Amino acid sequence: QKEVEQNSGPLSVPEGAIASLNCTYSDRGSQSFFWYRQYSGKSPELIMFIYSNGDKEDGRFTAQLNKASQYVSLLIRDSQPSDSATYLCAVSTGGFKTIFGAGTRLFVKA
Amino acid sequence: GAGVSQTPSNKVTEKGKYVELRCDPISGHTALYWYRQSLGQGPEFLIYFQGTGAADDSGLPNDRFFAVRPEGSVSTLKIQRTERGDSAVYLCASSLIQGETQYFGPGTRLLVL
Repeated sequence: QKEVEQNSGPLSVPEGAIASLNCTYSDRGSQSFFWYRQYSGKSPELIMFIYSNGDKEDGRFTAQLNKASQYVSLLIRDSQPSDSATYLCAVSTGGFKTIFGAGTRLFVKA
Repeated sequence: GAGVSQTPSNKVTEKGKYVELRCDPISGHTALYWYRQSLGQGPEFLIYFQGTGAADDSGLPNDRFFAVRPEGSVSTLKIQRTERGDSAVYLCASSLIQGETQYFGPGTRLLVL
C-alpha cells in the first residue's frame, strides 16, 4: 500500500463546475496535510495546508480533512481553464518528512 | 534572491560520472529538502536538513547519493557513479522552520546517458 494515494485521473470538469480531488494516507501519525499544484514542466506550488479535522476555505479552494478516515480532499469551486494542472497531495509526519502522492491530473474544459 | 534557486537547470552526463546539484534556499530559511521527481510521479523525498545537519536522510536510495549543507544555507546533492535510473528532476525546497510551508525551486533536470 502506498503511503499517500491519489486517483491519477485525468479528472475532466467543465468550466464553472466544482472539481473534487481526493487523497488517502496510511500513517495515522500524520499531522500536516498539503495540496500543491504543479503545471507541466514547472515545480510544485502550495495551494493550501490543513492541520485539523474539518474544512478550511481559501477563496475558491476548500480543503477537507478527516483523520479518522485518513482522508483529505480539495474542492475547487468555479473551476477555470487555468486550474488545469496536476494536484499533489502531501502528508507530513511529526518528523517533518513529507510524502507526496503521485498526483491527480485535472482538465477544466472551456 | 526572492525564491529558491537551483543550478544547473539541466544536466546531461554519462553513466558512471559524478554530478553535483546545487540549491540556494530562500534567505533565512533553516529547513531545506531534496526531492526527486520522475515523469508521472509525485516528488520523492530524499533528505531533509535542519540547519547544517541532515535531520532525515532516509530517502536517499543508496550510498551513491550524498548531500551537504556546510554553512546552513546552500546545499549540494552529490551523485557518484551515475546510472540511467538516476535520470529525473531533482527538486529542492526550503521552509522558514521545519514543518512549515515548503517553497520549491525550479528543479534540475538530470539525464544520464
